[in-house]
Amino acid sequence: RKEVEQDPGPFNVPEGATVAFNCTYSNSASQSFFWYRQDCRKEPKLLMSVYSSGNEDGRFTAQLNRASQYISLLIRDSKLSDSATYLCVVLPNTGNQFYFGTGTSLTVIP
Amino acid sequence: NAGVTQTPKFRILKIGQSMTLQCTQDMNHNYMYWYRQDPGMGLKLIYYSVGAGITDKGEVPNGYNVSRSTTEDFPLRLELAAPSQTSVYFCASSYGATRGSSYEQYFGPGTRLTVT
Repeated sequence: RKEVEQDPGPFNVPEGATVAFNCTYSNSASQSFFWYRQDCRKEPKLLMSVYSSGNEDGRFTAQLNRASQYISLLIRDSKLSDSATYLCVVLPNTGNQFYFGTGTSLTVIP
Repeated sequence: NAGVTQTPKFRILKIGQSMTLQCTQDMNHNYMYWYRQDPGMGLKLIYYSVGAGITDKGEVPNGYNVSRSTTEDFPLRLELAAPSQTSVYFCASSYGATRGSSYEQYFGPGTRLTVT
């Protein structure tokens, strides 16, 4: 079983739409969770960390459900510039290895 | 402040050749990582280092070697290149687990390697 699983999409949404991505992780001992954004042929960049109580950064909301072992990312009022691949990343509380999902592709359409 | 730099940006190798991918960071980060990313796949950890002189294997270390003689540099060596090593290689660094919300990884721009 993969450490981190994501729906690869693609998600094609119109500008202004709300879109949500989910990610599941297999290691219940995982301690830290992140969403990274990766533009085509570029390096990943941190979008936001995910905290137990959930957190919001502008149009982006991240939530963690430890009982069901999934995290989510909600994007409101989608912009063309949100088009990218969104990577779910998990850090177990043992070891120093980050585990990356395969990414979810988002295209925002005018 | 350049962040994480990688050289070369692109390289084509013949089967059996060797090369070193260079990675340098100027943020005084303790932790450094090498990942490979195949098309449509997630990043796979090759090797990582928690400080100068300390390295450890990740998920896919076979066919690679690393060294960490300084805090700034973390080169990745490919010996006897094989077509299966065709990939995009990313180097990353972070402060690590010793400083608050320090887990953010900063990535270099990547090296696109083709082995034919």
